[in-house]
Amino acid sequence: DAGITQSPRHKVTETGTPVTLRCHQTENHRYMYWYRQDPGHGLRLIHYSYGVKDTDKGEVSDGYSVSRSKTEDFLLTLESATSSQTSVYFCAISSGTGRSYGYTFGSGTRLTVV
Amino acid sequence: RKEVEQDPGPFNVPEGATVAFNCTYSNSASQSFFWYRQDCRKEPKLLMSVYSSGNEDGRFTAQLNRASQYISLLIRDSKLSDSATYLCVVNGLTGGGNKLTFGTGTQLKVEL
Repeated sequence: DAGITQSPRHKVTETGTPVTLRCHQTENHRYMYWYRQDPGHGLRLIHYSYGVKDTDKGEVSDGYSVSRSKTEDFLLTLESATSSQTSVYFCAISSGTGRSYGYTFGSGTRLTVV
Repeated sequence: RKEVEQDPGPFNVPEGATVAFNCTYSNSASQSFFWYRQDCRKEPKLLMSVYSSGNEDGRFTAQLNRASQYISLLIRDSKLSDSATYLCVVNGLTGGGNKLTFGTGTQLKVEL
C-alpha cells in the first residue's frame, strides 16, 4: 500500500479561525487530491495537485486554498473556517496506469467547526 | 443531474444471498470505471475496476454498459464482512487530470 498519512485525525475549531490540514505521502506520486465527504453528497473534490507548485480547483473550492511546496506534502487551508466546512476530509494519491490505476486514500480528518 | 447516481439503499440481505447494485453516469466521455468499498468511519478502498468486457474477482462481478451509461456490481454468497457502503466511481478526465467522480454510495447490510 502507498504510504499516505493525514494529520490531524480529528480537530475542533472555532468559526473564523484558519485551519490547515496536512497530507503526506512517501512514494513520490505526482497527483494528489483533497476531497470532502458529507452525507447525501458523497466525496467532492476540493483541490488537486499535479506536481510541486501545480494545483487546480475542484468543484467545491470556495473557502479553501492549497499548497504543494514538496512532492510529499499537500496542505489544505481553510482560510476562515465556517460551520458549513464541518466535514470529513480525505486526501488521495493516484497511482498505477491502465488496469492498475486507482486512488489510495488517507485515513481522513474529521473537522468540526463550532 | 448528478454525474454519478446510485440507489443509497440500505440493502438488507441474509448471509449467502446474491445482491446487485447499479449505477448510472452522465458523462458519455467517461473512460474508466471503478467500485470502491467504504466501511463505517473509514476511508474508501478500491474494490475493483470495471472493464467493458465485464470482470470477476472471486464472489464479485462488475459489468459496464457504455450504451446505457450503466455500471453494475454483483456480489454472490454474501458474507457478514461484505457489510459496507459501495461507491460507484468514474473517471471522465473533465478539465484535465485524472480526477475521479464518486457516487454517494449504496449501503449493504448482510444479516445472519
